Amino acid sequence: QSALTQPASVSGSPGQSITIFCTGTSSDVGSYNLVSWYQHHPGKAPKLMIYEATKRPSGVSNGFSGSKTGNTASLTISGLQAEDEADYFCCSYAGSSTWVFGGGTKLTVL
Amino acid sequence: QLQLQESGPGLVKPSETLSLTCTVSGGSISSSSYYWGWIRQPPGKGLEWIGSIYYSGNTYYSPSLKSRVTISVDTSKNQFSLKLKSVTAADTAVYYCARLTTAIAALDYWGQGTLVTVSS
Repeated sequence: QSALTQPASVSGSPGQSITIFCTGTSSDVGSYNLVSWYQHHPGKAPKLMIYEATKRPSGVSNGFSGSKTGNTASLTISGLQAEDEADYFCCSYAGSSTWVFGGGTKLTVL
Repeated sequence: QLQLQESGPGLVKPSETLSLTCTVSGGSISSSSYYWGWIRQPPGKGLEWIGSIYYSGNTYYSPSLKSRVTISVDTSKNQFSLKLKSVTAADTAVYYCARLTTAIAALDYWGQGTLVTVSS
């Protein structure tokens, strides 16, 4: 069970859009639509942003969207704002009641 | 509003057992709709799922940590706990507890996390 692969960092200017990719295998991301994304500001509790690959919890800005194709999931943030600067982690169900996380991506808003 | 709070020693000696407790307030740990999990983040690294427990006591562990981990639940205190034995410096991390809601298969509530350092 290996960690999902995410880019270490991405950046964008206010108002722009960015996409963070999360690549797994046919044993996790590829087999289940149970991918979730979390926003993590250092020192705070992580916050759920996307679940079941594409669904947004109530209270999360509609600027956040998710998708999945094959073994790769993605998180897109549209209309970047300064407060979006954070670490983002993906997570996938990996079968047998186990879960696997990505290594995390640091988003910098320029 | 549901809240989770981790507690336990911030410093553990190598080869000893790390013990943490997560206290759940604002909701019952005994609901059939949730699992309760532990996740950690070593300094400068990504999140790692450790394991989870159902209120009935059924447990599920990461294959890589299974031999050293025990998660238990105390429904009378609305708490669940983590024990990780034979720790090394590699177990130094911020440890989080979280609620996994089965209907959405995601961790929708997290604790703030607690740093545990393994050092002599």
